[in-house]
Amino acid sequence: DGGITQSPKYLFRKEGQNVTLSCEQNLNHDAMYWYRQDPGQGLRLIYYSQIVNDFQKGDIAEGYSVSREKKESFPLTVTSAQKNPTAFYLCASSSDRSGSYEQYFGPGTRLTVT
Amino acid sequence: AQKITQTQPGMFVQEKEAVTLDCTYDTSDPSYGLFWYKQPSSGEMIFLIYQGSYDQQNATEGRYSLNFQKARKSANLVISASQLGDSAMYFCAMREGGSNDMRFGAGTRLTVKP
Repeated sequence: DGGITQSPKYLFRKEGQNVTLSCEQNLNHDAMYWYRQDPGQGLRLIYYSQIVNDFQKGDIAEGYSVSREKKESFPLTVTSAQKNPTAFYLCASSSDRSGSYEQYFGPGTRLTVT
Repeated sequence: AQKITQTQPGMFVQEKEAVTLDCTYDTSDPSYGLFWYKQPSSGEMIFLIYQGSYDQQNATEGRYSLNFQKARKSANLVISASQLGDSAMYFCAMREGGSNDMRFGAGTRLTVKP
């Protein structure tokens, strides 16, 4: 079945460590996105990529980095420079072929940094 | 800049009744798309319904309909015949023009009472 996978579902790290969150899609979508969600709040855009080897910063890119070496993969690295990394991270993808550009989301990764 | 406003942090509805979740938006782009997503407690984001700014009729998808009032810049979600499984967070989102960048509101928590 086509879809978006994120791993792991729960991730624990010590403060000061970099951590990479995985996002893979087999929907053949060109665009991919990373969002952060804090408790009781909406989604905030971290980074997005419309094509391979290209990506743009969203509203809260500081302390994060991404790469897009393959169409299917868009990993997010949470660096030690991110002051409050504990959050729920959602990856999404979309295609312009649908016309409406709805985004399809993965199940999310809940990151806890102590 | 895009802005999405959901003024209802929480809503309650009796099972089998209809409920309206409010969403207003702000954009100067004549071409845009409006989306509603459902987020159950498990965390995944589920796409519900889409309305394009040039669509003449309100969008409907099963028990979901979008009350689109362009002049008022509102895109309220109507859920008919509420079910217990409808209890979740609901997010309104907007995408401008040909951009793949989507912005989300803060969300409304819907609780369906038996």
